[in-house]
Amino acid sequence: GAGVSQSPRYKVTKRGQDVTLRCDPISSHATLYWYQQALGQGPEFLTYFNYEAQPDKSGLPSDRFSAERPEGSISTLTIQRTEQRDSAMYRCASSPGRTSYEQYFGPGTRLTVT
Amino acid sequence: GIQVEQSPPDLILQEGANSTLRCNFSDSVNNLQWFHQNPWGQLINLFYIPSGTKQNGRLSATTVATERYSLLYISSSQTTDSGVYFCAVGGGWGKLQFGAGTQVVVTP
Repeated sequence: GAGVSQSPRYKVTKRGQDVTLRCDPISSHATLYWYQQALGQGPEFLTYFNYEAQPDKSGLPSDRFSAERPEGSISTLTIQRTEQRDSAMYRCASSPGRTSYEQYFGPGTRLTVT
Repeated sequence: GIQVEQSPPDLILQEGANSTLRCNFSDSVNNLQWFHQNPWGQLINLFYIPSGTKQNGRLSATTVATERYSLLYISSSQTTDSGVYFCAVGGGWGKLQFGAGTQVVVTP
């Protein structure tokens, strides 16, 4: 696609529910990143994929968070048993990988856990 | 990990003024990007500049990699320049480490 897209743009969920966020990267981009941005702060790295491989998931806050990119294109981020502290903007970015390290960000998903 | 410090934390400008934002980082990097987060929350790429100088309209940026800093220049500021400016650095294909940002308010 023309740019990185994310869905849903807004999600309100009750504490304890599972949520899945989706990212559709720029077509042909090899590398895909997930970041979490709390209000008033800069984005913080969660994990990234190089095609289907997930070389680094060091930023995932707990085992309630998981991500996948099974076919090397679309990715999902799942948060199980959501807690209020999970409320944040979740941003996805993609990068060409071979020709440039530049990351292009999507519009984000605003998650609110009540 | 890499430490990123941005200054100043806040900046209030009158429309038409010029300003310089600074980003210091603690280690050598292969990726340095400047972003503008507008009041609607969009994160907009301004520059990909691990070294050298680039210009885009009223904005320009310079990175001196050997001295581990980057500067973003805003000239003839407009109210639409308001928002948070982030510097982010990385060591290659991996994560970007973001600074805390500079909050810019441009008044008419």
